[in-house]
Amino acid sequence: AQSVDQPDAHVTLSEGASLELRCSYSYSAAPYLFWYVQYPGQSLQFLLKYITGDTVVKGTKGFEAEFRKSNSSFNLKKSPAHWSDSAKYFCALEGGPGNTGKLIFGLGTTLQVQP
Amino acid sequence: AQTIHQWPVAEIKAVGSPLSLGCTIKGKSSPNLYWYWQATGGTLQQLFYSITVGQVESVVQLNLSASRPKDDQFILSTEKLLLSHSGFYLCAWSPSTEVFFGKGTRLTVV
Repeated sequence: AQSVDQPDAHVTLSEGASLELRCSYSYSAAPYLFWYVQYPGQSLQFLLKYITGDTVVKGTKGFEAEFRKSNSSFNLKKSPAHWSDSAKYFCALEGGPGNTGKLIFGLGTTLQVQP
Repeated sequence: AQTIHQWPVAEIKAVGSPLSLGCTIKGKSSPNLYWYWQATGGTLQQLFYSITVGQVESVVQLNLSASRPKDDQFILSTEKLLLSHSGFYLCAWSPSTEVFFGKGTRLTVV
């Protein structure tokens, strides 16, 4: 079965610190992995994706993520964090070709960056 | 550039009343279209997907239905709303590997 786990419901840090939001997945084959951000009251915005190739992928808003097959993780990182990064972040999995658009989401991590 | 438009922006409806939510995408022919639902404060769950006119696949049964009457239009509906239908409904489309979401419709069932 496919699943995505975001173990941290809430993360709080100070502006200027480094942020890392954790995501792990369960999938029997090579997954496509995504990060999305949702600001309060708004829809989801695409941040970045991993399909294949380089295990560190760069996205919008200065974010990057590292795919680690060894421990089935896809953590989101940014340094330094800014107060405007405060939002809810979702990690998602798509089961490869033929499953385009069929995203399985984690429960999300609410990030609060204090000025 | 492709644009995705959802309507209405928000709805307050009574339990047992009908519902129709719409989604239109412009600038892309024969897009793959999806409906997602987000409970308040929760995660997202795919409800339906459609790869062509007249063809809709159900992913989760929530007493909702979907139709694709035109190439650029995707409709979500039900004849009788339940309290559990409250939440945020997002239409999405996928050009390749990414999925892009519309601005959503916030539904409150009272």
